[in-house]
Amino acid sequence: EADIYQTPRYLVIGTGKKITLECSQTMGHDKMYWYQQDPGMELHLIHYSYGVNSTEKGDLSSESTVSRIRTEHFPLTLESARPSHTSQYLCASSEFQRSSYNSPLHFGNGTRLTVT
Amino acid sequence: GNSVTQMEGPVTLSEEAFLTINCTYTATGYPSLFWYVQYPGEGLQLLLKATKADDKGSNKGFEATYRKETTSFHLEKGSVQVSDSAVYFCALSGGSQGNLIFGKGTKLSVKP
Repeated sequence: EADIYQTPRYLVIGTGKKITLECSQTMGHDKMYWYQQDPGMELHLIHYSYGVNSTEKGDLSSESTVSRIRTEHFPLTLESARPSHTSQYLCASSEFQRSSYNSPLHFGNGTRLTVT
Repeated sequence: GNSVTQMEGPVTLSEEAFLTINCTYTATGYPSLFWYVQYPGEGLQLLLKATKADDKGSNKGFEATYRKETTSFHLEKGSVQVSDSAVYFCALSGGSQGNLIFGKGTKLSVKP
């Protein structure tokens, strides 16, 4: 049973719309992540957070923004969706340790976004 | 910087065949190594891990040994099942800001 939840699972939306992808976890994990997964399955880290009020940009530049007001919640927002944003978005969480080497990631089931 | 390279797919096998998915890495220090699996329509889940040289991670019949001399962490299973059809990701720790570095994924299809 998943301890990290993403909604919606599928979203089809028109160009220019504002959207928010939801992600919540019940494990009390401090660190959370957003990955973009392209059709070839490769993962790209676009945002992460160390905890409340912390947000960092990942390795891949993204037009999306994130917020972390509560430990359990890490939503991702696109102010104006475009067809190039069509992708699968995966949220994940992990325990935060100073040396995070042994901290596995727990993933949600993803949101598949299509922008028409 | 640290990096990981895994064999490109797709890999197609018959049921009960032997599986190897190659993964090699470059790293400074002593990273931990992981295999994640993504079943169709789902997120990734940890399959196994190894935290130091010569460690063997194992789970669900899959195994991988942390080989520092060959900088490898190849995934193996003696007899695959149709239910093993998924995408497999090799990963290592030690990315920027403590994040994991993922390989590009290898898609496995097992035919009955």
